Amino acid sequence: DAKTTQPTSMDCAEGRAANLPCNHSTISGNEYVYWYRQIHSQGPQYIIHGLKNNETNEMASLIITEDRKSSTLILPHATLRDTAVYYCIVRASMKTSYDKVIFGPGTSLSVIP
Amino acid sequence: GAVVSQHPSWVICKSGTSVKIECRSLDFQATTMFWYRQFPKQSLMLMATSNEGSKATYEQGVEKDKFLINHASLTLSTLTVTSAHPEDSSFYICSAKGRDRRYNEQFFGPGTRLTVL
Repeated sequence: DAKTTQPTSMDCAEGRAANLPCNHSTISGNEYVYWYRQIHSQGPQYIIHGLKNNETNEMASLIITEDRKSSTLILPHATLRDTAVYYCIVRASMKTSYDKVIFGPGTSLSVIP
Repeated sequence: GAVVSQHPSWVICKSGTSVKIECRSLDFQATTMFWYRQFPKQSLMLMATSNEGSKATYEQGVEKDKFLINHASLTLSTLTVTSAHPEDSSFYICSAKGRDRRYNEQFFGPGTRLTVL
C-alpha cells in the first residue's frame, strides 16, 4: 500500500467546514483513496472513497487533485459528533480476497463549540 | 445493512486465563475477517486475516499460538487470547468483508476492550 501523510491534529469550529488534507505522492494508478474515522472507543467507520474523480455522499466530499498525489476530505458543516480520528488510506480495490485496510496514525479532529 | 457485531463489548480477566472474543456479520456472509488491536493513543494494528474454512494469516510479530483465530462459518470468527497477561490489555476490533458486491468492503465491529489484571 502507498504511504500517506496527514497532519497529526486539527481544530474546527462547530458549523464550519472541516478540510482534512492527505498526501499520497506515491499512489499508483489502480489505487483508491479511502477515508475512515474512529470516534473514541468505537470501531472505525467508513466515510468515502474515490479513484480520481471527486466524490460526495451524505457524510462528506472527497476532492482528489488531478495528479492524484493528494486529496482533501471535506465535512461541510462540522458538528461536535464529528470529533474523531480520521484516517486516509490508499489501497487497491477491495476486490481481492486478501486485500486489507492498514491504518496510519490519522488526523485527530477536534470540533470546538 | 453491513452490520458487524462483537461480543463481549468489554471483558476483565485475571492474568493467565484465556478470553474468547466473537465477531459476527449480522446481515451478510463474511468470506474474510480481519482482527486488529489498538493500544491507547495509537492507531489500529492488523493482527491477522482469516478466510472462512482456512487457517488465519498472521502479521509479522503476532504470535499465532497466543492469539487463536477461528473462522468456522461465514458469519462468525473468534479470537481467543490464551494465557492473557496485562500487556495484552487492549481494544480488539474485527472487520468483515463479503463476496457479494454490496459487501465487498471492510465493515468494522464496535470493538472489545480487554483488561487483564
